[in-house]
Amino acid sequence: EPEVTQTPSHQVTQMGQEVILRCVPISNHLYFYWYRQILGQKVEFLVSFYNNEISEKSEIFDDQFSVERPDGSNFTLKIRSTKLEDSAMYFCASGGVSGELFFGEGSRLTVL
Amino acid sequence: GENVEQHPSTLSVQEGDSAVIKCTYSDSASNYFPWYKQELGKGPQLIIDIRSNVGEKKDQRIAVTLNKTAKHFSLHITETQPEDSAVYFCAFKGGNTPLVFGKGTRLSVIA
Repeated sequence: EPEVTQTPSHQVTQMGQEVILRCVPISNHLYFYWYRQILGQKVEFLVSFYNNEISEKSEIFDDQFSVERPDGSNFTLKIRSTKLEDSAMYFCASGGVSGELFFGEGSRLTVL
Repeated sequence: GENVEQHPSTLSVQEGDSAVIKCTYSDSASNYFPWYKQELGKGPQLIIDIRSNVGEKKDQRIAVTLNKTAKHFSLHITETQPEDSAVYFCAFKGGNTPLVFGKGTRLSVIA
């Protein structure tokens, strides 16, 4: 069964450092998303991406965040200068025209 | 902005009993209502969904009901098993808005 894959599974970084989280969405999907989940809390929307551009973003997704689909398979989330409060699980999701979203296993980011 | 209230936040049931989780949403334009199961350390897994043109959908031991007039939808799990223990999230989506999640319900099935 096709699945969304994310790397790394866990990243530890120093405050102020840049982090890139990578995702390989399901191959025939057209819509791509990043969500985050702070420990013990709900899953929060960050950004959606369609047709090679951002279609919507939340207040969380400020200038420190960017997304990119550099080739036909990868979808990346970059945090330019990490803050302590960026520590969370980051989930990539992809979906087709039916509207269903399928999530990856997540990347745990720890900012020290 | 759009919001969804999910209750209860925790739920403990005996193995074999039923579990019901309810969500109430605010956006009347919402048309898609999925439920996700999240096991410890894993990503949310889509378990069932319903669209606004139906009132109920069932898949084996799991069912979802939707009341558009009252703006609420519920997840029903029958004959619960220990492996059903997880955090369950409701979500909703309308038009071009992104999927919005509830705060989750931690379900514990006691053997």
